[in-house]
Order: sequence, then C-alpha cells, then structure tokens
Amino acid sequence: DIVMTQSPDSLAVSLGERATINCKSSQSILYSSNNKNYLSWYQQKPGQPPKLLIYWASTREFGVPDRFSGSGSGTDFTLTISSLQAEDVAVYYCQQYYSTPYTFGQGTKLDIK
Amino acid sequence: QVQLVESGGGVVQPGRSLRLSCAASGFSFSNYGMHWVRQAPGKGLEWVSLISYDGSQKYYAASVKGRFTISRDNSKNTLYLQMNSLRTEDTAVYYCAKVEVAYDCWGQGTLVTVSS
Repeated sequence: DIVMTQSPDSLAVSLGERATINCKSSQSILYSSNNKNYLSWYQQKPGQPPKLLIYWASTREFGVPDRFSGSGSGTDFTLTISSLQAEDVAVYYCQQYYSTPYTFGQGTKLDIK
Repeated sequence: QVQLVESGGGVVQPGRSLRLSCAASGFSFSNYGMHWVRQAPGKGLEWVSLISYDGSQKYYAASVKGRFTISRDNSKNTLYLQMNSLRTEDTAVYYCAKVEVAYDCWGQGTLVTVSS
C-alpha cells in the first residue's frame, strides 16, 4: 500500500498570510505513460463532507478560488493557500489515486493565528 | 444539480449486517465509477471500496475485504454497500463519492454505529 504522510499535523496562520501543507507518498505516484501525478487535495469543514480542491496534483477544480494551488511531482507535493481567508479554516487531506487502496494522508488542521 | 444521498445507517450490534444505499441524481450515473469512503468519529478519511461504471470491477480495503460487498443498480441510479460481520471499528460516517478524475461530488454521509 502507498502511505501518504502530511506535514504538519496542524498549522496556524494569520489572515492574509500564506499557508503551506506538505504531502509525501511512500512511492512515486507519477504515471510515466501520461506524465500525470495521481494526487488530489480535499478540504473538510466541521460537519461537512470533503470538498475537492485540486486533482492531478495541480489542476484546480472548477469554482475553487485561485488562492489555492497545488504543486509537486513524484513523491513530494504541496498545497498552498496564498492569502488565508477566514473561510479556509478546515482540515485538509491529500489522497493518491495511483493504485488501490486509494490512501489518504492523516489530515492537516488549519486555523487562524 | 449533481446530488448523492446516502441512507441505511444506524445502530447495529457487532456481528450483524447493514446495507447502505446511495441515490444519485443530476448526472449519468451509469457512466461513472463510484466509491465508498468512511470517517470514524474525530478521525481522518479512509477509502473503503470502489466499483467501476458498469459494475465489472470492484476493489476493497483490506480492513473490509470479505465482509463488505459493493454493488450498483444503474437502472435505479443507486450504489450499495452490503456490510456483514460488522465490528466496533466499523463505526463511522460512510460517504459515497462520484469519480470523474478524483472525488468531485460527495454525499452528506450516513452514520453507522456498531455497538452492543
């Protein structure tokens, strides 16, 4: 199984500042035949289901604000929120869909400092 | 609009069975793979199972393999999860999710509590 490890477990950032969440996979999730990284990012607010933010490691889902961006390749990935807004307080998860089981990271809780 | 609505959760004793349903609307259900993902209280997300658009391929997490069965009825736009031999560690909110590339639509979830 591919293990997904996020860092940090929790993070507090001031409003308007940059937030960065890292995700590392135990093996490469870059598929050589199409040069795509099989990684997605989700945001989950209390009492709600997760919401897709990013897929293919860097493609923003329709309707997601452009302050959210994803980067990385192979085994190391990053979700960046360029200017933190109050509504961004949530838990963020990465997930690999390269191979079953489609494992998630343990989550990163993002708060306002 | 695209909508997924889970049902069938509840309180059940260890060793008993439960069947979850996920009713889909607003999209061509028979064209998409579907997944179940669960979340234990206060914990992270755990992938449970997937089924291909036509039901020909099914995969399970090791923690549920041999006990849970995923299925779908494309004529009824409904996804199912038959859960047998339930354990206390199966207690969680169960979400169904539609797959385009990643999980672009989730249901609100249904709570399954396994307790004596």
